[in-house]
Amino acid sequence: EAGVAQSPRYKIIEKRQSVAFWCNPISGHATLYWYQQILGQGPKLLIQFQNNGVVDDSQLPKDRFSAERLKGVDSTLKIQPAKLEDSAVYLCASSLSISTETQYFGPGTRLLVL
Amino acid sequence: GENVEQHPSTLSVQEGDSAVIKCTYSDSASNYFPWYKQELGKRPQLIIDIRSNVGEKKDQRIAVTLNKTAKHFSLHITETQPEDSAVYFCAASIGPNAGKSTFGDGTTLTVKP
Repeated sequence: EAGVAQSPRYKIIEKRQSVAFWCNPISGHATLYWYQQILGQGPKLLIQFQNNGVVDDSQLPKDRFSAERLKGVDSTLKIQPAKLEDSAVYLCASSLSISTETQYFGPGTRLLVL
Repeated sequence: GENVEQHPSTLSVQEGDSAVIKCTYSDSASNYFPWYKQELGKRPQLIIDIRSNVGEKKDQRIAVTLNKTAKHFSLHITETQPEDSAVYFCAASIGPNAGKSTFGDGTTLTVKP
């Protein structure tokens, strides 16, 4: 079974620039999560999708962050404009359904904002 | 919302010794508690989990205990090996949205050979 795929793996940008991350979940997984993991901290949920609908985006900084999962499969997370404090690893995870406890993480995208 | 605190932040043990990591949670409605292992530069991987209707669960050298009254749960690793060195995260979630977990800030475990 293929795992969760993410790209790019690394990204360096300057503040005020825009950046986008892509995630392809495990085939058949209806639920998709985006997490932000700042160095030395645990992952923090940014947004959760069930198919192509948003379940929870309460911790997403909506003035600069946006995410979509238009066809209920792949997802894109965008930051526009980026700030220095956005430097972190952005992890995508997926699970079979919203009530399934086990979630599988992708390798993450490491973002550095200069 | 849920708040999860994890201690200690760093733990160093000698190979063969035991390691214990503790977490407390704030929301008594939490009913699912996974533990993840994250090696440097790699993705978090689930190593063991426990549900609120169980007090203890074991898987070879790893065990997790849950005290619902005190709202804390612990990870126990026995006979530690150098390959156990990693960052360990606890998490808590509330069903039925069981995948929406609140994570602790992690414990860096170093096992010295």
